[in-house]
Amino acid sequence: AQTVTQSQPEMSVQEAETVTLSCTYDTSESDYYLFWYKQPPSRQMILVIRQEAYKQQNATENRFSVNFQKAAKSFSLKISDSQLGDAAMYFCALMNYGGSQGNLIFGKGTKLSVKP
Amino acid sequence: DTGVSQNPRHKITKRGQNVTFRCDPISEHNRLYWYRQTLGQGPEFLTYFQNEAQLEKSRLLSDRFSAERPKGSFSTLEIQRTEQGDSAMYLCASSLGGGLSAPQHFGDGTRLSIL
Repeated sequence: AQTVTQSQPEMSVQEAETVTLSCTYDTSESDYYLFWYKQPPSRQMILVIRQEAYKQQNATENRFSVNFQKAAKSFSLKISDSQLGDAAMYFCALMNYGGSQGNLIFGKGTKLSVKP
Repeated sequence: DTGVSQNPRHKITKRGQNVTFRCDPISEHNRLYWYRQTLGQGPEFLTYFQNEAQLEKSRLLSDRFSAERPKGSFSTLEIQRTEQGDSAMYLCASSLGGGLSAPQHFGDGTRLSIL
């Protein structure tokens, strides 16, 4: 079975500071993808960043970057220069692509608060 | 790109009633996914379509749940004989193909409350 674990239910960061959200996963597949999604309160889920498992290089999208450790099955998200608009639930997700499904397997999420 | 649209946004119904939700994907997207999200949890995959074909439905929570995508455009999710435990947010997502190059775009969801 594939699982995604986010061990931090809540995190807090001061505006302009850096915060790292943790995610570990388990899969028996060799080919898979990893995602971080952001869900602001009462708003839709938005893709933040994505990573292909066979790529060594960590993905970066502006202030968002990941630390992908394949052997450890770890996929953490670093948010630099945090802004008030970054406050949201953040979900780590796994997609196996060995078959035809392509559905996402989500963790329970981390609620990020940003203090002004 | 008008985004994924879900209706209604909120649905309140009595236990035992049937409910139907609608999802309109992004127009050129051939894949459509349904997820359920309960309080304090991440979304849980229910079923998905490629065009009009329902390619995975074993994750539907019970035989009270069914989904259709009759012409490969919009989709409906129906829950028959609703129960208290069906209260949740039901999310729809769509993508053009699958995999990393085809990220899923989510709608705002339909929040179901069972009285």
